[in-house]
Amino acid sequence: DQQVKQNSPSLSVQEGRISILNCDYTNSMFDYFLWYKKYPAEGPTFLISISSIKDKNEDGRFTVFLNKSAKHLSLHIVPSQPGDSAVYFCAASADGGSQGNLIFGKGTKLSVKP
Amino acid sequence: DVKVTQSSRYLVKRTGEKVFLECVQDMDHENMFWYRQDPGLGLRLIYFSYDVKMKEKGDIPEGYSVSREKKERFSLILESASTNQTSMYLCASSRQVGNTEAFFGQGTRLTVV
Repeated sequence: DQQVKQNSPSLSVQEGRISILNCDYTNSMFDYFLWYKKYPAEGPTFLISISSIKDKNEDGRFTVFLNKSAKHLSLHIVPSQPGDSAVYFCAASADGGSQGNLIFGKGTKLSVKP
Repeated sequence: DVKVTQSSRYLVKRTGEKVFLECVQDMDHENMFWYRQDPGLGLRLIYFSYDVKMKEKGDIPEGYSVSREKKERFSLILESASTNQTSMYLCASSRQVGNTEAFFGQGTRLTVV
C-alpha cells in the first residue's frame, strides 16, 4: 500500500509559466517532507523540504506547500525553465527523520517546453 | 562538498553471479540506504543501516544482503543475480539527528543477462 502518492506520472508546462507538482500521503506520522529532482542516469538531488510545523517553505523559484488536514503537499516552480525538465520525487519521513527512512512516491516527469 | 560515491556507473553481470555494489560517503553520516529505481515504480528501499554492523530490511529485501563494517561504507550484495534485478541502484546517506535530507550517489545501472 503506497504511503506517498504522486498521481500524475507526467506534466508538461510552457517555459515561464508555473509548474505545480502534487503529492498525497496516508501516514499521519509523517512529519518531514522533501522534494528531489532527478535527471536520467544521475542520482536524485535534494530540492526543498518542509517540516510539519510549517505550511509553506520558499527557496528562490521553488515553493512547497503543506496541507496537513488534507495530507497533501505541492511543489510550485515559478517561472519554469527548460532546465527544470526532470523527474520530481516527493518523499516523507516520520520521527523528524531520526531514522532517516525516506518513503518516496513514484515520481512525476516534468517537461518544460521553450 | 559532500559526497556519496558508488563504485560503478554501469555494470553487466550474468545470471547466477554474485554481485557487489559499493558505496562510500565522506560526511560522517550515521544512516545509509540502498534503493532501486524502476520505471513507474519510483524509488524502493532495499535495506538501510543506522549504525556500523546494523541493518534493517526495507520494502524489497528479497534476493539482497548488505554489509556495513565501517561507518563510511555500505555494500549491497546480490547473492545470485537474476534478470529481474536489472535496475538502477541508488545509495544514499543522511545524518541521524533532526530533520535532514538524504544525499544520493550517482547511481549504478546494473544489467543482468
